[in-house]
Amino acid sequence: AQSVTQPDIHITVSEGASLELRCNYSYGATPYLFWYVQSPGQGLQLLLKYFSGDTLVQGIKGFEAEFKRSQSSFNLRKPSVHWSDAAEYFCAYSGGYNKLIFGAGTRLAVHP
Amino acid sequence: EPEVTQTPSHQVTQMGQEVILRCVPISNHLYFYWYRQILGQKVEFLVSFYNNEISEKSEIFDDQFSVERPDGSNFTLKIRSTKLEDSAMYFCASNGGQEKTQYFGPGTRLLVL
Repeated sequence: AQSVTQPDIHITVSEGASLELRCNYSYGATPYLFWYVQSPGQGLQLLLKYFSGDTLVQGIKGFEAEFKRSQSSFNLRKPSVHWSDAAEYFCAYSGGYNKLIFGAGTRLAVHP
Repeated sequence: EPEVTQTPSHQVTQMGQEVILRCVPISNHLYFYWYRQILGQKVEFLVSFYNNEISEKSEIFDDQFSVERPDGSNFTLKIRSTKLEDSAMYFCASNGGQEKTQYFGPGTRLLVL
C-alpha cells in the first residue's frame, strides 16, 4: 500500500544546531514529493518539492531536501535552526494530479 | 500572489446539523481537493474533483459528504448531518495546468457539539 513514514514524532534541537527530518515513502513509480510546514492553528505552507532532475532541492526559509531513490527517502535538512522554525513538518507525496498522501508529521521544538 | 481562500475560518454547530464549508481555489487551477485534520493527527485526503465530478474519494467521504462547484469560482464541501467525530480542521487545495503542486487554504476549524 502507498504510504509515507515519518519515524520521528517529536524532535528537539537547540537554536543554531543542524536539523534533519526523516521521510520514507512506499510507492511504485517515482513520486512527486513535498514537505509542508504547519505552525500551530495555521494552514499548510509548502517548503519545497521534488518532481524530477536534481535530487537535492532547495526550498524556502533555508530548507533543503534530498531525494534518494535507493532508500525511498526524502529527508529535510537545515544547517542552522532558528526559533521560528518550531512547527510541525509534514512529508507528502502524490502521483501527479491526484491526492496527497501525508506522513504523520514531526513536531519540532527549538530550545534557545 | 494567488492563494486559496476558505470561509468561514471557524464554525461551531450542533450534532445533526448541516454545514457547508466554502473554498475559492486559485483561478486557473483545474483540480480541487478537500482534506481534513483531526486535532493532533495527520492530514487525511477526503475527495478530489475535476471537470465537475469527483475523481477520487476516500473511505471517510461517505454519503453524508458532498462537494459542489456551483459557479466558476467556489468549491464547497457539505456535511449533511454532522457527527461529533466530524470535528476537525478542513483544508481545501487546488492545482492544475502546469502546476502539480497543491496549494492549501488556511482551513476551516469545525467544532461539532
